[in-house]
Amino acid sequence: QSVLTQPPSASGTPGQRITISCSGSSSNIGSNYVYWYQQLPGTAPKLLIYRNNQRPSGVPDRFSGSKSGTSASLAISGLRSEDEADYYCAAWDDRLSGSYVFGTGTKVTVL
Amino acid sequence: QVQLVQSGAEVKKPGASVKVSCKASGYTFTRYYMHWVRQAPGQGLEWMGVINPSGGSTTYAQKSRGRVTMTRDTSTSTVYMELSSLRSEDTAVYYCARGEEYDVSAITAYWGQGTLVTVSS
Repeated sequence: QSVLTQPPSASGTPGQRITISCSGSSSNIGSNYVYWYQQLPGTAPKLLIYRNNQRPSGVPDRFSGSKSGTSASLAISGLRSEDEADYYCAAWDDRLSGSYVFGTGTKVTVL
Repeated sequence: QVQLVQSGAEVKKPGASVKVSCKASGYTFTRYYMHWVRQAPGQGLEWMGVINPSGGSTTYAQKSRGRVTMTRDTSTSTVYMELSSLRSEDTAVYYCARGEEYDVSAITAYWGQGTLVTVSS
């Protein structure tokens, strides 16, 4: 059972801006960096955002991340058809001996 | 360039064990933690554990503990994930994924191509 909660789906038309939320707790998002991954069908996840709001080289600035308290968000502006994918948030959880926890995942559909 | 190349697909019977390898290249192997993540068909991502290639220390997810063993061979820059007492629910694609330099708490941009493990009688 995932520790980080995301909405199961999000959608928008081309050019729109959508946001995906990720809700956690003080032991994960509240005290560690948040990471976001994009997964296209049949492929390995791709890092989109690291350390809450940093973009790896090659990731368009249409993607942005933010964090506040025990929640985080991924925003996609100027939505494009190729953004249709599954998105996962993740963070380290300090409980017990530690673990890396993923969100439940959000399927983004471009209408 | 950084590459993580995993071993090929496996079909195993319930109760058997499977060992998946992940060969790293393009960077200093011992400086970066290596995580294992799996994804059952149609499901989300599940973290299984992490190994420090430098000293070999490991941290396993509570769910996997007792059945999973992660090891490394520094001479070949390869990490291994062995899962025992397989059951049908272990059918999944297994990924290795590189962490941060000297930092256990993140999975970054480099992932293996995935290894499909099918458990079926």
